[in-house]
Amino acid sequence: AQKITQTQPGMFVQEKEAVTLDCTYDTSDPSYGLFWYKQPSSGEMIFLIYQGSYDQQNATEGRYSLNFQKARKSANLVISASQLGDSAMYFCAMREGMGTSGSRLTFGEGTQLTVNP
Amino acid sequence: GAVVSQHPSRVICKSGTSVKIECRSLDFQATTMFWYRQFPKKSLMLMATSNEGSKATYEQGVEKDKFLINHASLTLSTLTVTSAHPEDSSFYICSAPPARAGNEQYFGPGTRLTVT
Repeated sequence: AQKITQTQPGMFVQEKEAVTLDCTYDTSDPSYGLFWYKQPSSGEMIFLIYQGSYDQQNATEGRYSLNFQKARKSANLVISASQLGDSAMYFCAMREGMGTSGSRLTFGEGTQLTVNP
Repeated sequence: GAVVSQHPSRVICKSGTSVKIECRSLDFQATTMFWYRQFPKKSLMLMATSNEGSKATYEQGVEKDKFLINHASLTLSTLTVTSAHPEDSSFYICSAPPARAGNEQYFGPGTRLTVT
């Protein structure tokens, strides 16, 4: 079974509007971390935001926020006020096991976001 | 902030030759590094976990004799693609979590390998 599922292969949004990228996950480990990365065409992986399974509040980083619904096992990324430079591939990822910095990440299939002027 | 570098960024080689890719943590020590492979418009697939001072741990289906990993120091891991074939052409990217537990894993900029 897929551990990370991103159901939107592609998304389009108008500049200055908000967009939500979906991510659901599957784990039996009570301790886990969820990440979102942005990958522009250059290939570099840019860290956006992190949510720990025990975090009480939804994570926010500037224009990025993570809508964490633990019971539904979803961790959607919300980008507010989209900019043309936000056009990129976005990956949701999960690390199982907290406190172990060496735990590896499992990635979803990604969502290609295109911001239209 | 912490940075991970990779070298080379792009390489073209002929079938049958070997290619070495380096992954360095620039301002922190990494006892563990991860090597991923990514096909165009696809996700990152973990190939192996590189462990400083010990053997790498390979994911199921990854040929350890083809993808040699060496983690000789706390700041350097190398991936050598041996006897490369066109199907090995891909984007290879490494990552390193900082030694002190943090939330972010740092990724190198990636190496685009083309085997002709």
